[in-house]
Amino acid sequence: ETGVTQSPTHLIKTRGQQVTLRCSSQSGHNTVSWYQQALGQGPQFIFQYYREEENGRGNFPPRFSGLQFPNYSSELNVNALELDDSALYLCASSLGTAKSNYGYTFGSGTRLTVV
Amino acid sequence: AQSVTQPDIHITVSEGASLELRCNYSYGATPYLFWYVQSPGQGLQLLLKYFSGDTLVQGIKGFEAEFKRSQSSFNLRKPSVHWSDAAEYFCAVGAPSGGYNKLIFGAGTRLAVHP
Repeated sequence: ETGVTQSPTHLIKTRGQQVTLRCSSQSGHNTVSWYQQALGQGPQFIFQYYREEENGRGNFPPRFSGLQFPNYSSELNVNALELDDSALYLCASSLGTAKSNYGYTFGSGTRLTVV
Repeated sequence: AQSVTQPDIHITVSEGASLELRCNYSYGATPYLFWYVQSPGQGLQLLLKYFSGDTLVQGIKGFEAEFKRSQSSFNLRKPSVHWSDAAEYFCAVGAPSGGYNKLIFGAGTRLAVHP
């Protein structure tokens, strides 16, 4: 059983640029959630994808967008990067979206630095 | 509003000593509660979770946590800490909303272990 794989592990971008982060779900999982973890803080929910559609979103602006593919892998796209977007971005996969389903498997994250 | 508070930012204990990490939550309904551990450069690993039933929950690596509804707390304990337990620990509450679920994390407690 494979875990959650995220790529790249580290990334440096310039303010105003766009970035795409990738996530491969754990085998058998059909739901992907993305979290942003700023330095010294806990992870914050960005959004969740289920059956290739965004079905929930946290308090993040529209320049944060995502995709989920038929194989349940996912992308997080951030446009017009700002310095405050520097953070560890975590992907978590799970099976379904039921209230009781919190069997998240987290990836190791992508460390994004915006300069 | 839903929130999680971890009052201790840093804790240092000696190897072999007991450990208790505090967590208080604010949530309107019966909470789903979690403890995760994060080692440097790593993603989040689930230590234990509480959904219902017995308020004392056993987890991996010898950790346990006790849910106290009257105190809105879910403190993590370990009777004897090992040097390998040095990491950051996050308490989280599951917050289902509409057709999706998300986790709300505390800011974390960084644990250092002295030999």
